[in-house]
Amino acid sequence: EAAVTQSPRNKVAVTGGKVTLSCNQTNNHNNMYWYRQDTGHGLRLIHYSYGAGSTEKGDIPDGYKASRPSQENFSLILELATPSQTSVYFCASGDAGGNYAEQFFGPGTRLTVL
Amino acid sequence: AQSVTQPDARVTVSEGASLQLRCKYSYSATPYLFWYVQYPRQGLQMLLKYYSGDPVVQGVNGFEAEFSKSDSSFHLRKASVHWSDSAVYFCAVSASAGNKLTFGIGTRVLVRP
Repeated sequence: EAAVTQSPRNKVAVTGGKVTLSCNQTNNHNNMYWYRQDTGHGLRLIHYSYGAGSTEKGDIPDGYKASRPSQENFSLILELATPSQTSVYFCASGDAGGNYAEQFFGPGTRLTVL
Repeated sequence: AQSVTQPDARVTVSEGASLQLRCKYSYSATPYLFWYVQYPRQGLQMLLKYYSGDPVVQGVNGFEAEFSKSDSSFHLRKASVHWSDSAVYFCAVSASAGNKLTFGIGTRVLVRP
């Protein structure tokens, strides 16, 4: 069974503070992704990674950094959090090849920036 | 760039009725197409996927979708819905295997008892 976990599940941060969202996958997938979900926008891709040590910008990378220190872990970093970054964040993992780019999602992190 | 349009933000149906959710995509070549479902307070789960072959694909829980190249559509259907099908449904497109997904805004489905 594919497994993607996220921590924390809920986070309240202050404007200007640093926030780190963590994601771990036990699928041994090469690719990992960070999305945010907002009403009226669906899911939008922030950053993604093709493997340990690599990060790529997605469609809305501004204000976010990503880190992929290992195959299993992928972090999303908000150096200076702003209220506009209040959202639900989802991590996903997937692999190229036979599974048509299917992605497996974590349960989400609800972030509130005050 | 690829894009996905889900024209219906909300759909309400009665239990036992049929359901169709519309999805239109924009992409120059043949895309990889997906439907995902999100139950309350959970992450997304894939219902079904399509790349080639029979344009009607079967998914989990009685869902199926039909690909139309001429119409650039990938509509989702279910013959008889259950209250547990209440969820948000997302259509998504990818340019290639292993590539990033582009999602529609989602359709919230409410099944009335």
